[in-house]
Amino acid sequence: EPEVTQTPSHQVTQMGQEVILRCVPISNHLYFYWYRQILGQKVEFLVSFYNNEISEKSEIFDDQFSVERPDGSNFTLKIRSTKLEDSAMYFCASSEVSRGSNQPQHFGDGTRLSIL
Amino acid sequence: AQTVTQSQPEMSVQEAETVTLSCTYDTSESDYYLFWYKQPPSRQMILVIRQEAYKQQNATENRFSVNFQKAAKSFSLKISDSQLGDAAMYFCAYRLGSARQLTFGSGTQLTVLP
Repeated sequence: EPEVTQTPSHQVTQMGQEVILRCVPISNHLYFYWYRQILGQKVEFLVSFYNNEISEKSEIFDDQFSVERPDGSNFTLKIRSTKLEDSAMYFCASSEVSRGSNQPQHFGDGTRLSIL
Repeated sequence: AQTVTQSQPEMSVQEAETVTLSCTYDTSESDYYLFWYKQPPSRQMILVIRQEAYKQQNATENRFSVNFQKAAKSFSLKISDSQLGDAAMYFCAYRLGSARQLTFGSGTQLTVLP
């Protein structure tokens, strides 16, 4: 069964540095998402992306964050000037296009981001 | 804003027995979808079951079924004939019909006892 894959599985970065988290969505999916889960807290929505633009974003997704589909397979989340509170598990997800129908989101294994 | 509440941080069940995980949600919308996701220690979030709000019939997937009470805004998950592999964190999630983002509950950690 096709899967969403995320790399790396664990990223350690110094505070203030930039980090890029990578995701390869399922090949026939056209909606992409990023979520994060701070340790011990809920999974929180960050952003959804379709047709090369952001379709929805949460209050968390401020100017520090950006997303990109640099080629036909990858979907990235960039965090500029990382802060200690950015430490979390970041999940990528993808889904089929059919808007309004109940297309489930398929999640990757996540990238654990640790800011030192 | 929509909220999803899972009031049971932890549950345990004996292997082969049945367990029910609770979920309530708060919304003023009529068009929405509900999901249960499972997150085993391997970390991947796996879709267990989904329910459309407009459907009165409760969704069923093999040993997993839901009790969807729309008026009460309740969406519980029943796992029958529990297996050791069912041990995981279970998240209830809500999605507005016109949107894409999922709103998750805080999760219930399920332990299956041999």
